[in-house]
Amino acid sequence: AQKVTQAQTEISVVEKEDVTLDCVYETRDTTYYLFWYKQPPSGELVFLIRRNSFDEQNEISGRYSWNFQKSTSSFNFTITASQVVDSAVYFCALSDTETSGSRLTFGEGTQLTVNP
Amino acid sequence: DTGVSQDPRHKITKRGQNVTFRCDPISEHNRLYWYRQTLGQGPEFLTYFQNEAQLEKSRLLSDRFSAERPKGSFSTLEIQRTEQGDSAMYLCASNPGGGGQPQHFGDGTRLSIL
Repeated sequence: AQKVTQAQTEISVVEKEDVTLDCVYETRDTTYYLFWYKQPPSGELVFLIRRNSFDEQNEISGRYSWNFQKSTSSFNFTITASQVVDSAVYFCALSDTETSGSRLTFGEGTQLTVNP
Repeated sequence: DTGVSQDPRHKITKRGQNVTFRCDPISEHNRLYWYRQTLGQGPEFLTYFQNEAQLEKSRLLSDRFSAERPKGSFSTLEIQRTEQGDSAMYLCASNPGGGGQPQHFGDGTRLSIL
């Protein structure tokens, strides 16, 4: 069975602080995909990034960066110099192999509040 | 390229009534997914379609729930004899198909059962 754990339920920071959101996953598949989604108060889930299980190269995109470590089954997300507009719920998700339709298994989410 | 569209945005109904939600995926996306999200939780998979074929259903999808995707375009999700526990946000997503393609979500339909 697949499982995604986001141990941090809520994080509150002051604007311009760096913040890291943790994600730990479990799967028996050797091929899988990991995602981060953002859900602002308006409710729509916004896709941020995808990683496949064979690509452990970390990525930086503007103020966002992701650290994928297969050895610890973690896929952490860092926001540098946070802004008030970053306030949202962030979900980590795992997708299984093609044969299972690639349905997403989500963590419970981390509520990030960035205060001015 | 328009995004995933869901209708209605909100639905309030009395317990025992039937409700139907609609989802219009991104044009030419072969796969369409339904998820349910309750307050403070992540979305949970309900079912998905490859074109018009419903290929998988979660155990969460009781026999009061039915989904269709006629002609492989829009999809409907119907809940019969609604119960208090059905109150949730119902999310639709689509992607072109193929392993690992990101799913693009609609704004969701929030269902409230009185």
